[in-house]
Amino acid sequence: EAGVTQFPSHSVIEKGQTVTLRCDPISGHDNLYWYRRVMGKEIKFLLHFVKESKQDESGMPNNRFLAERTGGTYSTLKVQPAELEDSGVYFCASSQDRYTIYFGEGSWLTVV
Amino acid sequence: RKEVEQDPGPFNVPEGATVAFNCTYSNSASQSFFWYRQDCRKEPKLLMSVYSSGNEDGRFTAQLNRASQYISLLIRDSKLSDSATYLCVVNEGTYKYIFGTGTRLKVLA
Repeated sequence: EAGVTQFPSHSVIEKGQTVTLRCDPISGHDNLYWYRRVMGKEIKFLLHFVKESKQDESGMPNNRFLAERTGGTYSTLKVQPAELEDSGVYFCASSQDRYTIYFGEGSWLTVV
Repeated sequence: RKEVEQDPGPFNVPEGATVAFNCTYSNSASQSFFWYRQDCRKEPKLLMSVYSSGNEDGRFTAQLNRASQYISLLIRDSKLSDSATYLCVVNEGTYKYIFGTGTRLKVLA
């Protein structure tokens, strides 16, 4: 069974540009999460979808970040315009319940 | 004060040693507790859940002390392959996980 897959695995963009990260959850998982880790900090929650609905977006840092999950399948996280402090690794995760969540390998973003 | 605090290490131990990590959490209402393992530039993977009664999985033992709000992980007979970052993770009853910064372990030959 395929795990959580993320694309791209690495991205280098200039400040002010736009980047869109994609996540395909494990098939059948209604819950999808985005987390990120910026340099030297802990992994932090960004938001949680149940199917196509945003359940909790309390961790989204500002309105430059937009997450969508059309049709309740894959999700995208867009950063527009990107700033230097957005550099880090963005993890997507999915789960059937809240006790066991499975992470993707992450999308490493570098803003220069 | 951080919600979940861990000693970042690194802990450098010889093969075969026993090593223990602790983690403290600030919210007394926290409900679920986990240890995750993260290898360099990889995703976090669940190592084990932590229960009040304590639980063991092979060489790994996890303990939860609710009164003192700390969680521990004990690794016996360390292997080179145990080298990784160990993340303490707390859930407060929602779907949001709260991570510690992780403790780096390096097992030396």
